[in-house]
Amino acid sequence: EAGVVQSPRYKIIEKKQPVAFWCNPISGHNTLYWYRQNLGQGPELLIRYENEEAVDDSQLPKDRFSAERLKGVDSTLKIQPAELGDSAVYLCASSSTSGQVRAKNIQYFGAGTRLSVL
Amino acid sequence: SQQGEEDPQALSIQEGENATMNCSYKTSINNLQWYRQNSGRGLVHLILIRSNEREKHSGRLRVTLDTSKKSSSLLITASRAADTASYFCATTDNYGQNFVFGPGTRLSVLP
Repeated sequence: EAGVVQSPRYKIIEKKQPVAFWCNPISGHNTLYWYRQNLGQGPELLIRYENEEAVDDSQLPKDRFSAERLKGVDSTLKIQPAELGDSAVYLCASSSTSGQVRAKNIQYFGAGTRLSVL
Repeated sequence: SQQGEEDPQALSIQEGENATMNCSYKTSINNLQWYRQNSGRGLVHLILIRSNEREKHSGRLRVTLDTSKKSSSLLITASRAADTASYFCATTDNYGQNFVFGPGTRLSVLP
C-alpha cells in the first residue's frame, strides 16, 4: 500500500511569488492534515479536512494561505504571496476514522515539501 | 500554542545504552502518541497510549503515562545507531482530535 505522497520535495522561490504543494493521502483515509514544521520545532497544524470539508483551519493564515481538497481525496496548499518567514517544511498527513478506535488517531505522514523563500 | 513539551531537547548516548525522553502537557487528553522523525523525512508513528492506560510496550519501546502529573515518558532500551532521530509526543483532546505536537527531543546514538 502506498503511503502519503507529497510533491514537490523541494521548492525554492523568491518572496512575493506564489507556491503550491500537493498531497495524495493513503487510499481510503478520509481525514487529511497540513502541518508546517519550522527548523528544530514540532509540526504545527494548519488545516484539517474530514473528507472535503475543512473542519479546523483556525491556524491557517488566511490572508495568504489557501487549501482545497476537491472530491475528498487529493489536496493542495497554496501560499500567495510567499514571505521570507514561510520558509519551512510543509507536511501532509492522513488518517482513517473507520476501523478500530485506537487506529483512528494514528496519522501517517508524507516526506514533506521543504520550502525556501529567498 | 504547543501543548506537549519534550525534555531533554537533545540527548546523546552510546549504542547499547537506554534513552529516556519525557513529555509534559497542559490540558486533559484522550490519548498521547510518540512519533519519530529521521532527518529530512516525515514523522512515523511509534506508539499510542490512552488516558486510562499507564504503561505500554512495543519491542524496545516502553511508554508510561501519568495523567495526574500530565506527563509521559518514552524509554528506548538497548539503543542502536539507527535510533538516531527526533522524537515527538503528540496529544489528542477528549474529542479525539486536535493533534498538538511538542518541539521534540533530538536523540543521537553514537556507535
